Amino acid sequence: EAGVAQSPRYKIIEKRQSVAFWCNPISGHATLYWYQQILGQGPKLLIQFQNNGVVDDSQLPKDRFSAERLKGVDSTLKIQPAKLEDSAVYLCASSLNRGIHTQYFGPGTRLTVL
Amino acid sequence: GIQVEQSPPDLILQEGANSTLRCNFSDSVNNLQWFHQNPWGQLINLFYIPSGTKQNGRLSATTVATERYSLLYISSSQTTDSGVYFCAVDRLRGAQKLVFGQGTRLTINP
Repeated sequence: EAGVAQSPRYKIIEKRQSVAFWCNPISGHATLYWYQQILGQGPKLLIQFQNNGVVDDSQLPKDRFSAERLKGVDSTLKIQPAKLEDSAVYLCASSLNRGIHTQYFGPGTRLTVL
Repeated sequence: GIQVEQSPPDLILQEGANSTLRCNFSDSVNNLQWFHQNPWGQLINLFYIPSGTKQNGRLSATTVATERYSLLYISSSQTTDSGVYFCAVDRLRGAQKLVFGQGTRLTINP
């Protein structure tokens, strides 16, 4: 069974530029999550999708971050414009469904904002 | 929201030693997972254990839900066990999202 795929693996941009990350979850998983992990901290949930609907985006900085999950499969996370404090690893995860199900994580995208 | 505290923050051991990592949480949970983040940043599931005890090879975990803590045991440590171990919980009757602790950084020296 293929795992969660993410791309790119690394990205370096200057502040005020825009950037997009892509995630392909495990086949058949209805729930998709984007996390932000700042160096030295645990991952923090940014947004959670159930199929193609958003169920929780309470910690997403909506003035600069956006995400979509068209057709309930792949998802993209965008930052526009980026700030220095957005430097982090962005992790995508998926689970069979919400609630009491194991979450499986992709390899992450390491973003550096200069 | 729910608070998750992990201890110790750092642990340095020699190969072959045993270790116990602790996770305390502040509310009842319906989901608790232990993860290992390897030096390349990949988060790997170790256990899904909202209650009870599970074992997988040299690793085992116990969650005492009534006392709001979980323990991860690593026996006969190997250098490949190095990395950061995270506990993550989902509060019972909550928003159905995982909240992570700050992690325990484990270093196994040869």
